[in-house]
Amino acid sequence: KNEVEQSPQNLTAQEGEFITINCSYSVGISALHWLQQHPGGGIVSLFMLSSGKKKHGRLIATINIQEKHSSLHITASHPRDSAVYICAVRNTDKLIFGTGTRLQVFP
Amino acid sequence: GAGVSQTPSNKVTEKGKYVELRCDPISGHTALYWYRQSLGQGPEFLIYFQGTGAADDSGLPNDRFFAVRPEGSVSTLKIQRTERGDSAVYLCASSLDRGGTQYFGPGTRLLVL
Repeated sequence: KNEVEQSPQNLTAQEGEFITINCSYSVGISALHWLQQHPGGGIVSLFMLSSGKKKHGRLIATINIQEKHSSLHITASHPRDSAVYICAVRNTDKLIFGTGTRLQVFP
Repeated sequence: GAGVSQTPSNKVTEKGKYVELRCDPISGHTALYWYRQSLGQGPEFLIYFQGTGAADDSGLPNDRFFAVRPEGSVSTLKIQRTERGDSAVYLCASSLDRGGTQYFGPGTRLLVL
């Protein structure tokens, strides 16, 4: 069993839909990251959180430390949101990554 | 300002050859990380440098892999006697200090024939 599990693996949505991607982990962590990876490999850090909730534009990330679960929400999704979204947890000094959720948003 | 850069962007080599992959972190970042991403998978940790020293190399798969950061800035990942299974995207990231947000480079796509 992977230490970081994401669901769903693939997600298709129509423009404007509300998107939720889930992440569960089984190890102790000091922080959780949500990352975005576009075709071609570039990875961008979206959020780093250790408790509660953070919001940036149309993106919202929440974490429940007791349940070892985090969610990434995208409101009013747009085709440019199409990418792979990766959850990663910091365990000691290294990141442990989930396998990613591939999101495609169609106009 | 300049982000993390990696060279080469693509590398094709033959089985058994030696390769070096370079990472230039963001200036002033003391922490540097190497990850490997196989097709369809999330990245996997290889090694973490704090300054010049390897603080955690537990992710290096075997002794064919080695990394250095002699002056606490640029890092080189070295792979000896490459195997086809080494084919992957090798990602480098840096952070201002231990525990900070990691900024990723574009990766080096390695193909071992």
